[in-house]
Amino acid sequence: GENVEQHPSTLSVQEGDSAVIKCTYSDSASNYFPWYKQELGKGPQLIIDIRSNVGEKKDQRIAVTLNKTAKHFSLHITETQPEDSAVYFCAPGGGNDYKLSFGAGTTVTVRA
Amino acid sequence: SQTIHQWPATLVQPVGSPLSLECTVEGTSNPNLYWYRQAAGRGLQLLFYSVGIGQISSEVPQNLSASRPQDRQFILSSKKLLLSDSGFYLCAWGNVQGDSPLHFGNGTRLTVT
Repeated sequence: GENVEQHPSTLSVQEGDSAVIKCTYSDSASNYFPWYKQELGKGPQLIIDIRSNVGEKKDQRIAVTLNKTAKHFSLHITETQPEDSAVYFCAPGGGNDYKLSFGAGTTVTVRA
Repeated sequence: SQTIHQWPATLVQPVGSPLSLECTVEGTSNPNLYWYRQAAGRGLQLLFYSVGIGQISSEVPQNLSASRPQDRQFILSSKKLLLSDSGFYLCAWGNVQGDSPLHFGNGTRLTVT
């Protein structure tokens, strides 16, 4: 199955600064690359995704970049705000193992 | 629009008691359904998935079982709970195998005492 590694495991940033989380995967056939945000006591929610025919996608303050050759994709959050504090998961999929494989998560804390 | 309902939100059960958690999806047909467990401060562990009625695949050996009696209903069960079954249980659905978003319920916090 897919091996997924997510770094860093924790990230503390000053409000207004940027945050970057990287996800590496092993299945070269993967073609779908989502990021989920989980707030305390809730289920994860999709915040942005990208498919393998696109290198970058932006949605206001968040963006995802994909490097298929190196098999990694990253989540970028700019101008961080306190409400960005949460656990973020990557979950590459669409490859040989049809189930989405979740990374271990990154706990992001935005300091006011 | 599609919605997913999961209940109860919290549950406290004694060791050795049975368990039944239910998940239903509305607004979509023939979804792939998933049960995940999340230990405190940890990642998501896939327990079961189903691609159709009566079709259940187990990812890890455990004290739990799953059933899909109807297209949009997914049930997680145990005959006798263990302390190690405590955790946050999440149900999710997806349309296409692995290349579309998963939609999660709000989870059930299970504490086995």
